[in-house]
Amino acid sequence: NAGVTQTPKFQVLKTGQSMTLQCAQDMNHEYMSWYRQDPGMGLRLIHYSVGAGITDQGEVPNGYNVSRSTTEDFPLRLLSAAPSQTSVYFCASSHPGDEKLFFGSGTQLSVL
Amino acid sequence: AQSVAQPEDQVNVAEGNPLTVKCTYSVSGNPYLFWYVQYPNRGLQFLLKYITGDNLVKGSYGFEAEFNKSQTSFHLKKPSALVSDSALYFCAVRESAGTYKYIFGTGTRLKVLA
Repeated sequence: NAGVTQTPKFQVLKTGQSMTLQCAQDMNHEYMSWYRQDPGMGLRLIHYSVGAGITDQGEVPNGYNVSRSTTEDFPLRLLSAAPSQTSVYFCASSHPGDEKLFFGSGTQLSVL
Repeated sequence: AQSVAQPEDQVNVAEGNPLTVKCTYSVSGNPYLFWYVQYPNRGLQFLLKYITGDNLVKGSYGFEAEFNKSQTSFHLKKPSALVSDSALYFCAVRESAGTYKYIFGTGTRLKVLA
């Protein structure tokens, strides 16, 4: 069982570069979300989606874009990377009503 | 706005002793409450949840949590700690009638000493 798959696992960017963090789930979950984890800050919600074509902002959305064209995929785009976006990024999904988040293994991003 | 506070950055406990990891929350309506655990270099894993009903919730690996509405708390407990319980623990909340925003605390590192 694949569950929630995040790629890449590690990435180094230069300031101003763009990239997309990929997240895919094979559990037919309607809800998907992106978090960033920083020391002393815990997990902070970036964006989330309750279904294909529906996205909304979380606690820290600035500098990030998302779209949800399919149930399975929820990519996170950094249009112009900044050092403040150095973090570990986690994707999570769940079936509404189950209230149990399944997390990917994370993407460690460094912006120089 | 909903929020979660975990007042302890780290909790140390001897193996075999009971453990408690504290969590308090703030929501404008009824809360859905959760505990997750993170082992090194891994994603978070679900431990337990409170949605409604009995205030004492039992979860994975022998953990339990008690929902206290008057104190707005949801502390994680285990009667006898194991060295393998050492990890980072996160409390989370979602407002039941609100949007699907799961808000996490800052995490508490649990160290169980042999």
